[in-house]
Amino acid sequence: DAGITQSPRHKVTETGTPVTLRCHQTENHRYMYWYRQDPGHGLRLIHYSYGVKDTDKGEVSDGYSVSRSKTEDFLLTLESATSSQTSVYFCAISESSLNGGGSSNEQFFGPGTRLTVL
Amino acid sequence: AQSVTQLDSHVSVSEGTPVLLRCNYSSSYSPSLFWYVQHPNKGLQLLLKYTSAATLVKGINGFEAEFKKSETSFHLTKPSAHMSDAAEYFCVVSDHMRFGAGTRLTVKP
Repeated sequence: DAGITQSPRHKVTETGTPVTLRCHQTENHRYMYWYRQDPGHGLRLIHYSYGVKDTDKGEVSDGYSVSRSKTEDFLLTLESATSSQTSVYFCAISESSLNGGGSSNEQFFGPGTRLTVL
Repeated sequence: AQSVTQLDSHVSVSEGTPVLLRCNYSSSYSPSLFWYVQHPNKGLQLLLKYTSAATLVKGINGFEAEFKKSETSFHLTKPSAHMSDAAEYFCVVSDHMRFGAGTRLTVKP
């Protein structure tokens, strides 16, 4: 299994509080991703990183920010959590970008973090 | 932009019968396509991937998928379902791994 850990694995918080989720990898992969999983939606990309200090938005980035100060760590922050952000959050890594035709790399996923916002 | 549609939200089969999970995609160029499986309360595992080589792709656990450009499809099949195949399956297209909504496979004894 790829070396990806997420912390915390479970968290319950209240509306309006800040929350930070951590993804840590030991594979030295360049790309890191944050997704949320909700029933009926599959996984939706929140933000991704293509290198240290290089990040970009995904399809559901509103209300989230990210930071990547080291290759191995990718942080997801909810500045002021809302009940609509209750979800399961997955981190993923890949060696190279999947953009462009013919790209062949795959993503490896972490175990997920279950976040409940009351 | 790329997108992917899984045509069935739920598929139920009997153990030992064939499995067909359908996926259609849209893309302005030749995409890479993936199928992932997620067992209950587990993370995601890659089943197989298509990367513009052979159109028939074999994966783990007896699954395979065929890329059909003319039909923009990438359906997942297995000749004989096993109880352990019960899970959620996701079809994914490249371009930041856009996921389909998922198909829940139930296997009846």
